[in-house]
Amino acid sequence: DTAVSQTPKYLVTQMGNDKSIKCEQNLGHDTMYWYKQDSKKFLKIMFSYNNKELIINETVPNRFSPKSPDKAHLNLHINSLELGDSAVYFCASSQDLTFGDRGTVRYGYTFGSGTRLTVV
Amino acid sequence: RKEVEQDPGPFNVPEGATVAFNCTYSNSASQSFFWYRQDCRKEPKLLMSVYSSGNEDGRFTAQLNRASQYISLLIRDSKLSDSATYLCVVKSETGGGNKLTFGTGTQLKVEL
Repeated sequence: DTAVSQTPKYLVTQMGNDKSIKCEQNLGHDTMYWYKQDSKKFLKIMFSYNNKELIINETVPNRFSPKSPDKAHLNLHINSLELGDSAVYFCASSQDLTFGDRGTVRYGYTFGSGTRLTVV
Repeated sequence: RKEVEQDPGPFNVPEGATVAFNCTYSNSASQSFFWYRQDCRKEPKLLMSVYSSGNEDGRFTAQLNRASQYISLLIRDSKLSDSATYLCVVKSETGGGNKLTFGTGTQLKVEL
């Protein structure tokens, strides 16, 4: 079973359209994220949700609206798509873990396989 | 200045070589540090965490210098399958949550 699955894998659409990307995780993690990787391969956080509550919004245009119906799902809706939105969008989930013998907090952070969005 | 900086490479090395990647970060309040690996057109995957005392996982050794805000990754006896982009990643707290900040990655090509 895929731990973090996102659909669609590829999305080609015209400027001005509205589209959604869906993400689901079956790991029981409390926190989910959307990351964007642009043409220069730079991976940057967009949003973070913890138990359906938005906790990080990294100055993303309000054309991007995440929705978390439950802690296993985090969908991303994009209105009025622009050429500059073309990128690979990665969903991820995490759960902080205590690594007792070192007293260090490790974490489980798993990425989905990405959605390649091309706006033409 | 970028929050996490890496030399983009590419590093072209022969099989069996030892290669070292460096990374610097700007947020002194960063809590945790990692190296991720990303293959072409794939998602990033955790390679290893980086501890202050330094840690090793097989052919891979990671070091952290908090005073200099510097992280390194050493790969010994490079294999063809090590060819990928290596991402330096820093975890920090922000606004009640935590986030990973990625470097732009260093590309490694291991050749015959």
